[in-house]
Amino acid sequence: QKEVEQNSGPLSVPEGAIASLNCTYSDRGSQSFFWYRQYSGKSPELIMFIYSNGDKEDGRFTAQLNKASQYVSLLIRDSQPSDSATYLCAVDQNFGNEKLTFGTGTRLTIIP
Amino acid sequence: GAGVSQSPSNKVTEKGKDVELRCDPISGHTALYWYRQRLGQGLEFLIYFQGNSAPDKSGLPSDRFSAERTGESVSTLTIQRTQQEDSAVYLCASSLLPGDFSPLHFGNGTRLTVT
Repeated sequence: QKEVEQNSGPLSVPEGAIASLNCTYSDRGSQSFFWYRQYSGKSPELIMFIYSNGDKEDGRFTAQLNKASQYVSLLIRDSQPSDSATYLCAVDQNFGNEKLTFGTGTRLTIIP
Repeated sequence: GAGVSQSPSNKVTEKGKDVELRCDPISGHTALYWYRQRLGQGLEFLIYFQGNSAPDKSGLPSDRFSAERTGESVSTLTIQRTQQEDSAVYLCASSLLPGDFSPLHFGNGTRLTVT
């Protein structure tokens, strides 16, 4: 069974610090990796995706992928209270997002 | 513009009854997806549509579950003879194109409770 594992948290980070969220996946053949943010009681929204080994930066967010270690992470720089949410890691076997396998999410709290 | 709309937002039903959940995707989005989110668990893929066709139905939990899409627009997810384990939030999403990285836009979900 294909699995995506995340630490459920809660992860507490002081405002202005870097938040580091981690995810591991079991299917070595996975091709595409996504980070979604889900505020309490709301639906998930895409933050960013990555499919090549290395780092991908978008504003305050950086996704890091290491396929050899089957590991993907999300760094949030200059954390803001509005970043407090559950962050979902999702993986697709193929190049794209037709059929995502989601982790259970990490709950992040930014402390003012 | 309008986002993905799902109805009803909440549904309470008795075990054994049939339920129908509706999703109206963003206009022009060719791909439509159904996911399920049980309490404390990750989103679980159910099915996706490319136009009106469903290339992958592998996520449907049992033959009690079925889905259809018409006019490359509205989709309905039907659960027959509901069971308590069907209780979950059912999320619909749409994207501009399938098989690429265009973002999935999720609706607010239908919270189904089977008593």
